[in-house]
Amino acid sequence: AQSVTQPDIHITVSEGASLELRCNYSYGATPYLFWYVQSPGQGLQLLLKYFSGDTLVQGIKGFEAEFKRSQSSFNLRKPSVHWSDAAEYFCAVGARGGGNKLTFGTGTQLKVEL
Amino acid sequence: DAMVIQNPRYQVTQFGKPVTLSCSQTLNHNVMYWYQQKSSQAPKLLFHYYDKDFNNEADTPDNFQSRRPNTSFCFLDIRSPGLGDAAMYLCATSRDLLAQGTDTQYFGPGTRLTVL
Repeated sequence: AQSVTQPDIHITVSEGASLELRCNYSYGATPYLFWYVQSPGQGLQLLLKYFSGDTLVQGIKGFEAEFKRSQSSFNLRKPSVHWSDAAEYFCAVGARGGGNKLTFGTGTQLKVEL
Repeated sequence: DAMVIQNPRYQVTQFGKPVTLSCSQTLNHNVMYWYQQKSSQAPKLLFHYYDKDFNNEADTPDNFQSRRPNTSFCFLDIRSPGLGDAAMYLCATSRDLLAQGTDTQYFGPGTRLTVL
């Protein structure tokens, strides 16, 4: 069975600083990988996804993520954080041949200091 | 805009009193999912419908049931809520389960359930 680990429960960055959120997955083959963001009182919004091809994936709101098979990682990055990026971020893995089920990590809460 | 709507956004119920949460979608997607998300935890899939076919996760308690009367609506019924069922319940949709994991899931805003 697949699993996802987000080692950082909380991260605080200053506005304008760069951001990297870590995600490690466990899966026997090449997974499908997703990053979702959840603002307070809102549902999950898809930021970006990786299925195959270029390992550097661009998403919405200026986010990108890089799939590194050797490290079983899919870290999310943003070069300059805005105060509106404060939210909870979830990494998820989808299994090939497993329908469309997602397994989520426990999330990283991002706080942005002005 | 096409979207996933959940009602109510906040629900308070009493211990043991049945409660129903509602989800509707204007995306005309074939698949609808219900997730449970407890505080500081990952969303956990309870079950999903692929069209009219119901698929229960192995570890979903019998206390949780679901109905999908038509493509647009899906309900989550909790027959006898316990204190441990207090959580955020998220509804999601995707176009096609047979996309084998490549299909994007679209989430509603969630219903936060409080059990007194």
